[in-house]
Amino acid sequence: KQEVTQIPAALSVPEGENLVLNCSFTDSAIYNLQWFRQDPGKGLTSLLLIQSSQREQTSGRLNASLDKSSGRSTLYIAASQPGDSATYLCAVNSGAGSYQLTFGKGTKLSVIP
Amino acid sequence: DTEVTQTPKHLVMGMTNKKSLKCEQHMGHRAMYWYKQKAKKPPELMFVYSYEKLSINESVPSRFSPECPNSSLLNLHLHALQPEDSALYLCASSLLAGGPNEQFFGPGTRLTVL
Repeated sequence: KQEVTQIPAALSVPEGENLVLNCSFTDSAIYNLQWFRQDPGKGLTSLLLIQSSQREQTSGRLNASLDKSSGRSTLYIAASQPGDSATYLCAVNSGAGSYQLTFGKGTKLSVIP
Repeated sequence: DTEVTQTPKHLVMGMTNKKSLKCEQHMGHRAMYWYKQKAKKPPELMFVYSYEKLSINESVPSRFSPECPNSSLLNLHLHALQPEDSALYLCASSLLAGGPNEQFFGPGTRLTVL
């Protein structure tokens, strides 16, 4: 059974700092991995999708990497801004016939002005 | 249009009420999903529809009844809910069900059961 872990559970950084969020998964047989952002009480916004054959994806100040063999992904946020404050969820799409995303519990990010 | 919409945004209902949640997408996706998310927890899959047919029911109580009237629309009918059913209900869609298909999520419906 796939398990996804996100460390740290919460992170507080001053504005302007670069930061890294970590995600690890137990079964390397994945189709892809998605990073989502969730604001309090809101839905999920997809940030980046990395297919299993890819090593990284970039969108603006965000860069996500994937090391499938070691079961790890990182989300790098450059020059953090207060508007980046949210919970970041990592979700893995596993295996043939699998319909569901397995989510981590998220990292709550606070960027202090 | 890369948007999944959900209505209503908020819903308060009593345990004897019957209500419905609605989800719509116009991206031509043929898979649609219902997730339930409790506070400070990750989303949990409830149902998956593929080509308007129910593919997955994750042992959800019968007081939740999904319906997919067409390829763009997904409903969740609610009846005789319990206070512990209060949660954020998220709808998602993907081009196809399963496999390497990206899921797109709606903003959710915040449900409170009194």
